[in-house]
Amino acid sequence: QMQLVQSGAEVKKPGASVKVSCKASGYTFSGYYLHWVRQAPGQGLEWMGRINPNSGETHYAQNFQARVTMTRDTSITTIYMELLRLTSDDTAVYYCARARSGNGSPLGYFDLWGRGTLVPVSS
Amino acid sequence: DIVMTQSPDSLAVSLGERATINCKSSQSLLYSSNNKNYLAWYQQKPGQPPKLLVYWASTRESGVSDRISGSGSGTDFTLTISSLQAEDVAVYYCQQYYSTPFTFGPGTKVDIK
Repeated sequence: QMQLVQSGAEVKKPGASVKVSCKASGYTFSGYYLHWVRQAPGQGLEWMGRINPNSGETHYAQNFQARVTMTRDTSITTIYMELLRLTSDDTAVYYCARARSGNGSPLGYFDLWGRGTLVPVSS
Repeated sequence: DIVMTQSPDSLAVSLGERATINCKSSQSLLYSSNNKNYLAWYQQKPGQPPKLLVYWASTRESGVSDRISGSGSGTDFTLTISSLQAEDVAVYYCQQYYSTPFTFGPGTKVDIK
């Protein structure tokens, strides 16, 4: 079945970086944009950016532009999100999500989600 | 950026009664070229990722209960749960995918009265 399987929780100290993975299976990897969305404890959802698994083209939210990198490895149908210079404000669950648009457009709704990766940032 | 707002912040409804959640965007989400509203609704239960309920403002995702429906166009949208059941207790988010950055509403918590 279609699924996105994310890497496990990682505890980080302020100033460190984190790299979260998201492995896609059960569908054509190159056919859908993949996005990253985060959720701080008890808070709402915040879009971080997206990657085109086919070309590797990325588009980041302004808030994260300077310290986020999204990459993909097509050989293992996996995407990655690396966030640098972590602070306590980055404590959150990080989700990857597949966007479906019906025509390959990057403007799609999220029909498939990973279970999330918890990243607590604490000294 | 498109700002999404939701009302109410929370609501408690008796079992079997109707629950209505409103969502408003700071600009129109209607693309004139295809006459589609780029608005989705999600349900999130504790410890789980969001679940897609409705897309294009009014198209119910496969497998979603027909008690759930979406309506609206332009800047004003509504999610309706026609007969609230215990399994509907959750937080509901609207989201625009009209343009980046994609943005979500702050969420509406639905509970049983």
